[in-house]
Amino acid sequence: AQSVTQPDIHITVSEGASLELRCNYSYGATPYLFWYVQSPGQGLQLLLKYFSGDTLVQGIKGFEAEFKRSQSSFNLRKPSVHWSDAAEYFCAVAPGYNQGGKLIFGQGTELSVKP
Amino acid sequence: DTGVSQNPRHKITKRGQNVTFRCDPISEHNRLYWYRQTLGQGPEFLTYFQNEAQLEKSRLLSDRFSAERPKGSFSTLEIQRTEQGDSAMYLCASSFRGGGRLSYEQYFGPGTRLTVT
Repeated sequence: AQSVTQPDIHITVSEGASLELRCNYSYGATPYLFWYVQSPGQGLQLLLKYFSGDTLVQGIKGFEAEFKRSQSSFNLRKPSVHWSDAAEYFCAVAPGYNQGGKLIFGQGTELSVKP
Repeated sequence: DTGVSQNPRHKITKRGQNVTFRCDPISEHNRLYWYRQTLGQGPEFLTYFQNEAQLEKSRLLSDRFSAERPKGSFSTLEIQRTEQGDSAMYLCASSFRGGGRLSYEQYFGPGTRLTVT
């Protein structure tokens, strides 16, 4: 069965420091991969997506993610974190074509930002 | 484009009562999804519609749960005889089927937080 693992439940970084959130997936083929962000009490906002092609994808708010097939990973990065980036981050996979497009999510990583 | 809207935003109910939530997707989107999110977890897929047809239901969707999308526009999710374990955030998302890979981009509403006392 497909699954997504986010190994870090909570991460704290200082404002201005770099950030990397880890995501590993389990799937037989190359899935469609996504990162979403959720602020307290809010729905999910799409940060970026990977379908195919260039393995480094750019998203909104200065985020990027790199797909590494050999490691089954899709880690999210940001070179300089802002206090407003404090939120919960979810990695998700769409298992594939004709699977209805439902998303399978990891359990999330909560990001705290120190001033 | 006003985004996906959900009503109510919060619902407190007593165990055993029935509740109904509504989701209005982005107007041109023909796919609509329901997810459930419990505290400290990622969203879990419940069911989805393409137009008015309900095409898939998760095992999480017990027989106390029913979802409809009668005219292929808004959708309702009803929970009968609520239990404390039903307390969660219920999220709705929509996407446009027919947009190739873009159909996998789901846009989420703010959610309905259900508390069963």
